[in-house]
Amino acid sequence: NAGVTQTPKFQVLKTGQSMTLQCAQDMNHEYMSWYRQDPGMGLRLIHYSVGAGITDQGEVPNGYNVSRSTTEDFPLRLLSAAPSQTSVYFCASSYNPDGDTQYFGPGTRLTVL
Amino acid sequence: KNEVEQSPQNLTAQEGEFITINCSYSVGISALHWLQQHPGGGIVSLFMLSSGKKKHGRLIATINIQEKHSSLHITASHPRDSAVYICAVIRGTSGSRLTFGEGTQLTVNP
Repeated sequence: NAGVTQTPKFQVLKTGQSMTLQCAQDMNHEYMSWYRQDPGMGLRLIHYSVGAGITDQGEVPNGYNVSRSTTEDFPLRLLSAAPSQTSVYFCASSYNPDGDTQYFGPGTRLTVL
Repeated sequence: KNEVEQSPQNLTAQEGEFITINCSYSVGISALHWLQQHPGGGIVSLFMLSSGKKKHGRLIATINIQEKHSSLHITASHPRDSAVYICAVIRGTSGSRLTFGEGTQLTVNP
């Protein structure tokens, strides 16, 4: 199994550009989530999904969209990038939403100029 | 005040020392995770616990639900244990939505 994969690993955007961060898992996990990690702060939840077709907002959802058309994929879209979105983004998945082991992707380091 | 507080923020130890990292939380939880973030950035799950104690190799995690406190212990520390250790809680009503501490940077010198 590849586990949780994320692409790209690194990305530089200009303010106002849009892009999609890809996340995929091959473990048939129902629960997937996106986090951002900033210096001096803990990981913060952006959006999450408890299954295909179901998504909900986390702690810091503004400026991001998600969709979950399949169990495997959970892309994160930045609609109009801002410097405040410079961060490291992690995707994670788990088998069920009741506190199972979390599996994290390798992260995407995004810089918005 | 953060809902999840870790101490210390930074910890430097000599190889072989016994290490303790603490996590206190202020909300009701259904479970607590300890995670390890490698210098390269990858995050792996070490433990998930809702009561008592768990052990895996040289790592031991304990939790006291009444006191809202958990500890991660590393016995016979080694330079390869150098990493950021992160405590995260699952709040009682939020399913698998995690709330994270800021992490403890551990450096083990040979």
